[in-house]
Amino acid sequence: IAGITQAPTSQILAAGRRMTLRCTQDMRHNAMYWYRQDLGLGLRLIHYSNTAGTTGKGEVPDGYSVSRANTDDFPLTLASAVPSQTSVYFCASSEGDRGRGGYTFGSGTRLTVV
Amino acid sequence: GQSLEQPSEVTAVEGAIVQINCTYQTSGFYGLSWYQQHDGGAPTFLSYNALDGLEETGRFSSFLSRSDSYGYLLLQELQMKDSASYFCAVPGLTDSWGKLQFGAGTQVVVTP
Repeated sequence: IAGITQAPTSQILAAGRRMTLRCTQDMRHNAMYWYRQDLGLGLRLIHYSNTAGTTGKGEVPDGYSVSRANTDDFPLTLASAVPSQTSVYFCASSEGDRGRGGYTFGSGTRLTVV
Repeated sequence: GQSLEQPSEVTAVEGAIVQINCTYQTSGFYGLSWYQQHDGGAPTFLSYNALDGLEETGRFSSFLSRSDSYGYLLLQELQMKDSASYFCAVPGLTDSWGKLQFGAGTQVVVTP
């Protein structure tokens, strides 16, 4: 089944630790995104990549980094986790057509930083 | 900058009709999207409107008025499975790819 795979599904992480959230898509979409979702705030864009080899900052990029070595993979790294990064993280992909064709989302990673 | 406003919650009974409004402010406009998200699940794409008017897809319809910077999602013949959060979204204008900015979401509660 075509789609996006995220791992892990959930994680409890000690503050100060480094963590990478994994995201892989098999739809050959050009664009990929990382969003975080917090109660009452909707989905906020952390980082994005329009094509392999390029990345950009979204609305809330501080404390996060990404890489896009190939079309399929778009990992998100927290260099030194803080409690305010407790959230549900969604990876998404699209054709990069301003949303016309819709975004496909992964099932999310629920991260708790303690 | 951009902003989107939608109600936080709507409650209705099975079989009823619910309209979720979304007003947006953006310096330019390409299209308005709607997504559904069940508790604990991932957002899923419902519809996209680039032109004024109503577009129907089964029990769900989406409307856009560009002159009013306004759109709505209409859920007809409500079913219990329609209990979910619904988000409107518009693409940003910082580049030609248009990354989506989402509203805070409207929680729809369907009661028996």
